[in-house]
Amino acid sequence: DQQVKQNSPSLSVQEGRISILNCDYTNSMFDYFLWYKKYPAEGPTFLISISSIKDKNEDGRFTVFLNKSAKHLSLHIVPSQPGDSAVYFCAADLYAGNMLTFGGGTRLMVKP
Amino acid sequence: NAGVTQTPKFRVLKTGQSMTLLCAQDMNHEYMYWYRQDPGMGLRLIHYSVGEGTTAKGEVPDGYNVSRLKKQNFLLGLESAAPSQTSVYFCASSFRSGLQYEQYFGPGTRLTVT
Repeated sequence: DQQVKQNSPSLSVQEGRISILNCDYTNSMFDYFLWYKKYPAEGPTFLISISSIKDKNEDGRFTVFLNKSAKHLSLHIVPSQPGDSAVYFCAADLYAGNMLTFGGGTRLMVKP
Repeated sequence: NAGVTQTPKFRVLKTGQSMTLLCAQDMNHEYMYWYRQDPGMGLRLIHYSVGEGTTAKGEVPDGYNVSRLKKQNFLLGLESAAPSQTSVYFCASSFRSGLQYEQYFGPGTRLTVT
């Protein structure tokens, strides 16, 4: 059973608009969350993270929101750019552990 | 800095053959990981290491072995390849800084087992 789920396999957004990618988790012990971006034929690259003591973290155009009671996090990209077109993975971890659990990914397509 | 590198980039094996994938990092990271990525399933952890000479099992360790003889290298071995091991394999490394960290990934190895 997947502990981290990204229920939308794909998302299409117009350039300049907001992209919202969602992620749900089932393990309430997860307390550190990360988003990775992946282009074809490359390894994932780190985008942004958030710890469970926060409900929001911002870095430029990227903001991650965490709702612990709902076991839900989301990544907002504003404004979206064509170069943001990639597969986005959310991942979760325990501070005491060393293993990231990844969601299945969401393919974002930003249309010019 | 090259970051995390993986050798080879592509490989085709026949069922029952063996091979070793090499991962190298030049960031002096303590932690190293091997993942596999299959369509629609994200990345799943195979084995990981928290330091030179140590290894541990991840989520999907069966059919794989690993070794961490040097801090900068992490080897993944397939003793008898099976078609179910057709996948893209990613190596990663990380350090821990306080309570936050990130894993740095290599470019991947695409393995096909026929």
